[in-house]
Amino acid sequence: AQSVTQLDSHVSVSEGTPVLLRCNYSSSYSPSLFWYVQHPNKGLQLLLKYTSAATLVKGINGFEAEFKKSETSFHLTKPSAHMSDAAEYFCVGAFNDMRFGAGTRLTVKP
Amino acid sequence: EAGVAQSPRYKIIEKRQSVAFWCNPISGHATLYWYQQILGQGPKLLIQFQNNGVVDDSQLPKDRFSAERLKGVDSTLKIQPAKLEDSAVYLCASSVDRGAFYEQYFGPGTRLTVT
Repeated sequence: AQSVTQLDSHVSVSEGTPVLLRCNYSSSYSPSLFWYVQHPNKGLQLLLKYTSAATLVKGINGFEAEFKKSETSFHLTKPSAHMSDAAEYFCVGAFNDMRFGAGTRLTVKP
Repeated sequence: EAGVAQSPRYKIIEKRQSVAFWCNPISGHATLYWYQQILGQGPKLLIQFQNNGVVDDSQLPKDRFSAERLKGVDSTLKIQPAKLEDSAVYLCASSVDRGAFYEQYFGPGTRLTVT
């Protein structure tokens, strides 16, 4: 079955430290993959997308993700967390439709 | 460019009551999507419209949920009668067309609480 799995439901980091949000996909082919962010009471916002071009994708607000076919992974990283990064993050796979992971809540401590 | 608009933003109803949500997509976007996001889960597609026609409603509980997009622009999603498990955020999204389903723009959502 085609799906994405977010390995952590909650990640907590201190401000200024690196962020790693993990996502694995399951598919017989390499799908397009996305990361969305959802701040409280706000709509989903696209952070970045992978569409079979460069495997290292840079997004907004300093986030980036690397597509690794051998590991079927698409982890989201940021070198230094900011308080404003606290939100829910969704990894999404484009198969016949958009399949969302369950989400990872990122908490940033001062 | 105006984004996807949804109303109301919040709604509280009792079980067995009816409720309707409204969505106005980005101007010119032919494809409209309704998602259900239960607390602690990712959004799940309920129904997809291309203009005023239904493309996919395989995950829509048709015994109680209905949706329409009569003029191919704005859309309404209705629940009748509501159950406790319908408590969720209902998200509307739009894209230029079906082929661009991976370029969806999301509205802020309607948070429904069924008591």
